[in-house]
Amino acid sequence: GQNIDQPTEMTATEGAIVQINCTYQTSGFNGLFWYQQHAGEAPTFLSYNVLDGLEEKGRFSSFLSRSKGYSYLLLKELQMKDSASYLCAVDQTGANNLFFGTGTRLTVIP
Amino acid sequence: KAGVTQTPRYLIKTRGQQVTLSCSPISGHRSVSWYQQTPGQGLQFLFEYFSETQRNKGNFPGRFSGRQFSNSRSEMNVSTLELGDSALYLCASSLAGDRGGELFFGEGSRLTVL
Repeated sequence: GQNIDQPTEMTATEGAIVQINCTYQTSGFNGLFWYQQHAGEAPTFLSYNVLDGLEEKGRFSSFLSRSKGYSYLLLKELQMKDSASYLCAVDQTGANNLFFGTGTRLTVIP
Repeated sequence: KAGVTQTPRYLIKTRGQQVTLSCSPISGHRSVSWYQQTPGQGLQFLFEYFSETQRNKGNFPGRFSGRQFSNSRSEMNVSTLELGDSALYLCASSLAGDRGGELFFGEGSRLTVL
């Protein structure tokens, strides 16, 4: 079957580092995406991994291990505005057919 | 440049009615996909269109349909509405053709079925 697992909720302190894990089992794999969604807003793109390893983009980094079906999103120097849901999604067919996890709601506290 | 535009933003319907939602992609984007978002299920893929052709369809009943026009604008229709169809319907556009690419989402159309 197909499945993406992420923790439902996480809480972290402003200025800290947080790692959001994602494990997946899908029928196909053409890459893994991370999206950020603030309450009441549209999801916005954060990162894309298609090869194993770490992709760094400013305060955000994303890691992929295809053999383990595992990814994580690393957020550094947390800010209050980082409070949002973080969605892990697998591109199964290369045709914008993304299979999403249910998301991790991150709350950043002072 | 203008983002993805969805209309209407909010609507209320009753069971048994039908609804049509519209999506205008970012200029130049030829791929449009639709997702249903509910608190319990998260984002679920409905279908994807590229150059007026449906390339992929998710696991939704035939009451959910869509189409894409020559200018890449897309509509989705839900017939014989059920209470469980209450959700946020998100449209996303992308430049990518054969390979998956970054999706740009609209703000969504929030449908409430009474």
